[in-house]
Amino acid sequence: SQTIHQWPATLVQPVGSPLSLECTVEGTSNPNLYWYRQAAGRGLQLLFYSVGIGQISSEVPQNLSASRPQDRQFILSSKKLLLSDSGFYLCAWSQRGDPKGEKLFFGSGTQLSVL
Amino acid sequence: QQQVKQSPQSLIVQKGGISIINCAYENTAFDYFPWYQQFPGKGPALLIAIRPDVSEKKEGRFTISFNKSAKQFSLHIMDSQPGDSATYFCAASSDFNSGGYQKVTFGIGTKLQVIP
Repeated sequence: SQTIHQWPATLVQPVGSPLSLECTVEGTSNPNLYWYRQAAGRGLQLLFYSVGIGQISSEVPQNLSASRPQDRQFILSSKKLLLSDSGFYLCAWSQRGDPKGEKLFFGSGTQLSVL
Repeated sequence: QQQVKQSPQSLIVQKGGISIINCAYENTAFDYFPWYQQFPGKGPALLIAIRPDVSEKKEGRFTISFNKSAKQFSLHIMDSQPGDSATYFCAASSDFNSGGYQKVTFGIGTKLQVIP
């Protein structure tokens, strides 16, 4: 069966510090990968998605970047965190070409607090 | 611009009652409408989904009602239980493009509390 691992679960970082959140998927190959941010009252905001190694698309301009160095690994980074980067970050994957629809499978999330 | 409008943002229902969450969409190209359930501190999980070729889909106590002409769909939770207390997101997406990617647009979420 497929599993998605996301870490750390919580993170407290000072303003201006770097960030690296990692996500890995097991039990599938060539998945679509996503980073979402969840803020109260704003639902789930798609930040980045990737359809293959090295292929990253950004949905919104921001202080963050993403990379996909391996097929089942997705990394969210920042060189200098801002207060506004605080939030609940979710990694997700989907099976490419699923004819039944875009079923997203989410990780357990990282609660990031920038102080 | 919010393409999927969800209401209410919060809902309190007594145990055994019916919980109803409504969503409306604008993009007529949407053809897949899932609902996700999220417990505190966890990621959302797919609960139930529907395509517009049917007007209703039922799985246990959970039912999606779909009105294509009104561009609205709703989630009904029958015999609501305290264990159903969670945040529910409606969503919509359209056919895959040539890149194999299908963008999912989420509603703002509804925090449901079922009280004993």
